[in-house]
Amino acid sequence: SQQGEEDPQALSIQEGENATMNCSYKTSINNLQWYRQNSGRGLVHLILIRSNEREKHSGRLRVTLDTSKKSSSLLITASRAADTASYFCATALIYNQGGKLIFGQGTELSVKP
Amino acid sequence: DADVTQTPRNRITKTGKRIMLECSQTKGHDRMYWYRQDPGLGLRLIYYSFDVKDINKGEISDGYSVSRQAQAKFSLSLESAIPNQTALYFCATSTQGAGELFFGEGSRLTVL
Repeated sequence: SQQGEEDPQALSIQEGENATMNCSYKTSINNLQWYRQNSGRGLVHLILIRSNEREKHSGRLRVTLDTSKKSSSLLITASRAADTASYFCATALIYNQGGKLIFGQGTELSVKP
Repeated sequence: DADVTQTPRNRITKTGKRIMLECSQTKGHDRMYWYRQDPGLGLRLIYYSFDVKDINKGEISDGYSVSRQAQAKFSLSLESAIPNQTALYFCATSTQGAGELFFGEGSRLTVL
């Protein structure tokens, strides 16, 4: 089964609202990363949070990490139509040779004007 | 110009044909990766390379092979394409293990 599972699979909100996406994983990690993908395009790195960090901010993005629950959340505040995209979490496992990233299935976010 | 360039961007081929997808990068990164994306399945790692002499299998390497021709070039081959290899393929690079990945724009492959 997937190392990273995301919830919800799809999310539709109005512009100006906040969007929250969750990621759960199964085994111990070195770090967890969030990526964004516009339809059919390459993924773009958003933010990285290390296993010893609990919260991180970048502009309108806020990421939390709870290693005891093996979960992370990505909050996008004051969403815009341009935030419409798929968002993926990716985990770097501690015991994974070379620190390869394992991706979740993604959350499709639709922000309506 | 893109830092990670994939060619071709789109390819339609027939079952049994040999296909090569190419990736080149100008970022100077040692580590390169090939991922496959299928709807609802996220990205799955096919092969990865930490330098020119180092090639490693990922989760789903069966039916694929790779070649690291130079630090900047990493090619993915399908020796005999089959329909369930229809997918969006991504090349990515990084400077270090567990670090940020930089992706190309993808190569959409359709096998009829």
